[in-house]
Amino acid sequence: KAGVTQTPRYLIKTRGQQVTLSCSPISGHRSVSWYQQTPGQGLQFLFEYFSETQRNKGNFPGRFSGRQFSNSRSEMNVSTLELGDSALYLCASSRGQGVDEQYFGPGTRLTVT
Amino acid sequence: GEDVEQSLFLSVREGDSSVINCTYTDSSSTYLYWYKQEPGAGLQLLTYIFSNMDMKQDQRLTVLLNKKDKHLSLRIADTQTGDSAIYFCAALVGGSQGNLIFGKGTKLSVKP
Repeated sequence: KAGVTQTPRYLIKTRGQQVTLSCSPISGHRSVSWYQQTPGQGLQFLFEYFSETQRNKGNFPGRFSGRQFSNSRSEMNVSTLELGDSALYLCASSRGQGVDEQYFGPGTRLTVT
Repeated sequence: GEDVEQSLFLSVREGDSSVINCTYTDSSSTYLYWYKQEPGAGLQLLTYIFSNMDMKQDQRLTVLLNKKDKHLSLRIADTQTGDSAIYFCAALVGGSQGNLIFGKGTKLSVKP
């Protein structure tokens, strides 16, 4: 069974631009969660989508948004990039029913210059 | 909200046992997890424990939970150089369909 895939793996953007990251969950998984990992703040939860609906949301500004498609693939968008958005963005998938193991992808390394 | 704390570094010799400690603040956290992250990689789920358990063993890994003190530990027996990685403790908050709150991670270095 293929694991969670994220594209692109690396990205360099300029302040003020926007970026879209993609996550393909494990086949059969309906929940996708997104996390931001930085050296200073560690791993922070962004949001979770289940069956195309946002089910949980962390404490991030509205510049961070996401969506999920009918095939469970998810995209995350960050608008008006700031230097502090430089991070590793991880997505995790799970079946989404009850308490469930989350399987993480390798992440997308975003650098904002 | 939930806060999860871990020591940042641990260094052990190959063959010794490693013990990584974690404390959390929200007593309603139902599940507690240990993840491993190797350089350049995502997180790998190692094991998890339900809050009504005291201990869980899985091959070289032993998880101990002291719910009264809100203290969780991960013991790795016969630590190998391949165990060198960052280990994250995480607590599930917000019920069974909630989200994970992670500690900052403990960097384990295994010396030959």
